[in-house]
Formats: sequence, structure tokens, C-alpha cells
Amino acid sequence: QVHLVESGGGVVQPGRSLRLSCAASGFTFSSYGIHWVRQAPGKGLEWVAVISYDEDNKYFADSVKGRFTISRDNSKNTVYLQMNSLRADDTAVYYCAKAVGATQRGYFDYWGQGTLVTVSS
Amino acid sequence: EIVLTQSPGTLSLSPGERATLSCRASQSVSSSYLAWYQQKPGQAPRLLIYGASSRATGIPDKFSGSGSGTDFTLTISRLEPEDFAVYYCQQYGTSPLSFGGGTKVEIK
Repeated sequence: QVHLVESGGGVVQPGRSLRLSCAASGFTFSSYGIHWVRQAPGKGLEWVAVISYDEDNKYFADSVKGRFTISRDNSKNTVYLQMNSLRADDTAVYYCAKAVGATQRGYFDYWGQGTLVTVSS
Repeated sequence: EIVLTQSPGTLSLSPGERATLSCRASQSVSSSYLAWYQQKPGQAPRLLIYGASSRATGIPDKFSGSGSGTDFTLTISRLEPEDFAVYYCQQYGTSPLSFGGGTKVEIK
């Protein structure tokens, strides 16, 4: 059974950093790309970033490019989202999702339960 | 970037009725790479449809997807209480990936 569990969310001041983790189980983790998708309170879904199965390819939404980085440790079945220079408009629930398809062209067959990031002074 | 526009924003229907949700793309979605998700309050999205018309594992046949190019439709044949939720379309044919703004299906 596929499980994705996010952690690391919380309240952080503007300009500070936070690292989210996504721990996966129930599938061959090293064979799949993993995405981050966020949802601001009461709003729709926004794609944030993706990392390929082998970490060779990483892509980001323009809204986070240069501030967020993504990495993975296939020995720990975990993906990380490092978020720097956080802004109020980064406030959202952050979901990790298992991808089906090529790195930049995937849909999401499994999602985690999400972790809330609140950027506020 | 492909912009997806979903309509209507809110659909008020009674249990047993048919729901028709629209997703229109600002440019053609290559290879019909379009997915639909259902999201209930406090929950993560759930994949319903991929490839415009293929049901995901475990999704009942009351959900059906159709369309190509720039116009796509999700149909729920007979609404049951558990189907009242927000539905999102997503295109994955062109980078960056993008989602529609969602359609809320509410009980009339």
C-alpha cells in the first residue's frame, strides 16, 4: 500500500527558511519522480516542484524558482523541499505526490496528507 | 503556460442528478494529457481520471471523462452524497504543469 507522509511544516517568519520532508513507502521509490503541490488556504492547487527518480532533473514553478530547492535520498525513501526566503504568499498546505509519467509531464496517482506552512511575523 | 479554466465555479445539484463539469485550456493539451481530481474538505486530492478518459484504479464507472484539444468534461452520472466535493482538472502535457481553479459540487 502506497503511503506518502509529509513533515516539517510550521509557523515561520518572513525571510526565514524551512525544510519539508516526504517519506514514502509501498512502492519502488527510486523508480518514480516526486512532486510538491501546494494549496493556499481556501484556494486551488498550485504545482511547486518536481525531482526525477535519479535526482538528475529538477524543475520549479516560477513563483519559487531561486528560493526553493528539492533533493531526495533514495536510501531513505525521502524527498526534501528546502524553502528559503519565505514570503507570506508561500503560506499553504504542501503536498508531496507520486508521479506517473515523465519528470515534467506527470499526473499524480498518490498524495500525502499535507503539511501546513504558515509564514507570518 | 497553459491556463485551465473550469466552469461553473459552483454546481448546485441534488443526489441522483447528473453533474457535468467543464475544463477549458488556453491552448491545446498535447496527447490529451489531462487528469481530474476530487478533493473533500481537509483531505488530499484523489485521482479520478487520467489521459482525459481513463479511470484510475478503484474509481467507479459513474465517473467519466471526455474531450480533447482544449475542451474537456468530467461527468458524474448519478450524484451520491459522497460525491459532493471540489473537482480539479490538471494538464500534464506541457511544462509547467497546471491546474484549473476548481468546481465545487454542492448539495442543492
